[in-house]
Amino acid sequence: GENVEQHPSTLSVQEGDSAVIKCTYSDSASNYFPWYKQELGKGPQLIIDIRSNVGEKKDQRIAVTLNKTAKHFSLHITETQPEDSAVYFCAASGNAGGTSYGKLTFGQGTILTVHP
Amino acid sequence: DGGITQSPKYLFRKEGQNVTLSCEQNLNHDAMYWYRQDPGQGLRLIYYSQIVNDFQKGDIAEGYSVSREKKESFPLTVTSAQKNPTAFYLCASTTDRNNEKLFFGSGTQLSVL
Repeated sequence: GENVEQHPSTLSVQEGDSAVIKCTYSDSASNYFPWYKQELGKGPQLIIDIRSNVGEKKDQRIAVTLNKTAKHFSLHITETQPEDSAVYFCAASGNAGGTSYGKLTFGQGTILTVHP
Repeated sequence: DGGITQSPKYLFRKEGQNVTLSCEQNLNHDAMYWYRQDPGQGLRLIYYSQIVNDFQKGDIAEGYSVSREKKESFPLTVTSAQKNPTAFYLCASTTDRNNEKLFFGSGTQLSVL
C-alpha cells in the first residue's frame, strides 16, 4: 500500500520568513495530493491540493509543488504570520484496485511555529 | 450552519467498557469516515462508509465497530477488545466518491481511566 513520509516533524520560523514542508510517497499510481492544516483542539482543514497532471498550484501565500518522477511534493508558505502556526499534514490518494474509492494516506504531520 | 459535529469532546473509558463516539453531519454528504490520530503520527483510517447501511474496514479496524443507519450519522464504538484506545478520534465526510476534499469534525479525545 501507499506510504507517505513527511519532513520535518517540527519547523520554527520568524514572522515574514518562508516555510517549506516536504513529503514523499511510494505508490506511483497516486494522483491526488492534499494538504491539511490542524489548529489546536480542532479537526484538520483542507488548505490546498494538487493533482498529478499539474506541477504547481498557488493560492495567495501558499503553494504546492509536485515532482511525479521523484514522487515528492512540497508545501510552501511565504510571508509567514503567527496565525500560520499549526500542524500541517500532507496526504496522497489514488484509485484502489480499479474501484472508484481512493484512500487518503496521511504523512506524520509537521508542527509549524511562527514567532512574532 | 452546515458542518460535522462530534460529541463528546472528551471521553473516558474504564477497563472492559465499550464507549460510543457520536458523529453527525448536515452537509448531505454520502461518504463518512473515522480516523484515529496519535501524537507524532498521521491520521489512520478506522472505518468508512460510502452509503447508508454499508461500511468497510480501514487500516486499523480491529477493536472498533460502526453503523450507518442514517445518512447523517456514523457512530463509532470503541470496544473492550481495543487494548490501546487512548487517542484523538476524528470523523470526516465528503460528497466526493473518490475520497477527496474531506471535511473534518473537531474530534473526540478518548482516554483510559
